[in-house]
Amino acid sequence: AQSVTQPDIHITVSEGASLELRCNYSYGATPYLFWYVQSPGQGLQLLLKYFSGDTLVQGIKGFEAEFKRSQSSFNLRKPSVHWSDAAEYFCAFSTGTASKLTFGTGTRLQVTL
Amino acid sequence: DAGVTQSPTHLIKTRGQQVTLRCSPKSGHDTVSWYQQALGQGPQFIFQYYEEEERQRGNFPDRFSGHQFPNYSSELNVNALLLGDSALYLCASTRGFKNEQFFGPGTRLTVL
Repeated sequence: AQSVTQPDIHITVSEGASLELRCNYSYGATPYLFWYVQSPGQGLQLLLKYFSGDTLVQGIKGFEAEFKRSQSSFNLRKPSVHWSDAAEYFCAFSTGTASKLTFGTGTRLQVTL
Repeated sequence: DAGVTQSPTHLIKTRGQQVTLRCSPKSGHDTVSWYQQALGQGPQFIFQYYEEEERQRGNFPDRFSGHQFPNYSSELNVNALLLGDSALYLCASTRGFKNEQFFGPGTRLTVL
């Protein structure tokens, strides 16, 4: 079955520390991959996306993600977290152009000062 | 440039009632998708509309129906509401067959 797994439900990091959020997908081919962020009471904002090519992709707000085909993973990273990064992060994939998005259950990021 | 807008922001209904949620896509976008996000979960795909036709549908019962208008705006209708329909309903838009979807702020539906 096609699915996305985000193993970490909740992560707490100190401001200024590095961050890595894990994402694994299950699909028979290479999907289109996305990371979205959702602040409380808000919709989803796209952080970055991977369609093809360079496996390290840069996004907004200083985030980056690396696609690893051998591990079926698309982990999100940030070298130095800011307090404003506290939010819910969702990994998602689609299997074709304009296809539906399949989301993981999300990782809630808490940032301590 | 207005992004995706949704109305109303919040809605409270009772079991058995019917509800209509509305979405206006981002300027220049013609494809609208609807997602249901239950508390503590990721969004689940309901259906997608393009050129006023339902193009894709997720695993939701027929109580969930939709419509797209010539101006590309869309409605989501839910009949015979159940307690389990309480959720944040998100609308997303894109242009044609592009993969990047832009989300609206959502409508919070509470069913009592």
